[in-house]
Amino acid sequence: GNSVTQMEGPVTLSEEAFLTINCTYTATGYPSLFWYVQYPGEGLQLLLKATKADDKGSNKGFEATYRKETTSFHLEKGSVQVSDSAVYFCALVGGATNKLIFGTGTLLAVQP
Amino acid sequence: DGGITQSPKYLFRKEGQNVTLSCEQNLNHDAMYWYRQDPGQGLRLIYYSQIVNDFQKGDIAEGYSVSREKKESFPLTVTSAQKNPTAFYLCASSIQADTDTQYFGPGTRLTVL
Repeated sequence: GNSVTQMEGPVTLSEEAFLTINCTYTATGYPSLFWYVQYPGEGLQLLLKATKADDKGSNKGFEATYRKETTSFHLEKGSVQVSDSAVYFCALVGGATNKLIFGTGTLLAVQP
Repeated sequence: DGGITQSPKYLFRKEGQNVTLSCEQNLNHDAMYWYRQDPGQGLRLIYYSQIVNDFQKGDIAEGYSVSREKKESFPLTVTSAQKNPTAFYLCASSIQADTDTQYFGPGTRLTVL
């Protein structure tokens, strides 16, 4: 069935460091891919999405490219801020079940 | 302001009591969802509804019940049959079921004492 695998956290970075959070997926067909962010004590917010191969989603300085050949959707940001500290979830919808499937989340802690 | 509201933000109940969590949306979305989140884990789907007066079980429906009498409302009842109800509960909605982006409410943290 469909699944999403994220790198385990926590990821601890200093302010202005480069961020990569790895995400790979397993799905039949052509799923849509998402990154959601959850700030402490809050619900999830959509960060970015991509709906087909080679699409790049971007928002608030974050980017992710839909790579069908490597079944990946890695999240990147060139210079993180303390305010980026949160849990990041990779997710997909589509394929065999057409349900939104989440990874386990990666906690990012940015230190000043 | 359009969005999804969940109330209350924190909820405490004694073991053996049923409790109902509220979820309301004014986005005119057809589909609504309930997820459960436990510490260090991803979200797990409890129930979803594609349209008014219709709903389906998700991956962990046992011990929960829902209703969808109005388009904008999708309340979740956590029954006494749910063995481990303490968790963070998130409601979401989308324009159509499963084929579009889901938008989430702020969540309700339920603690059973």
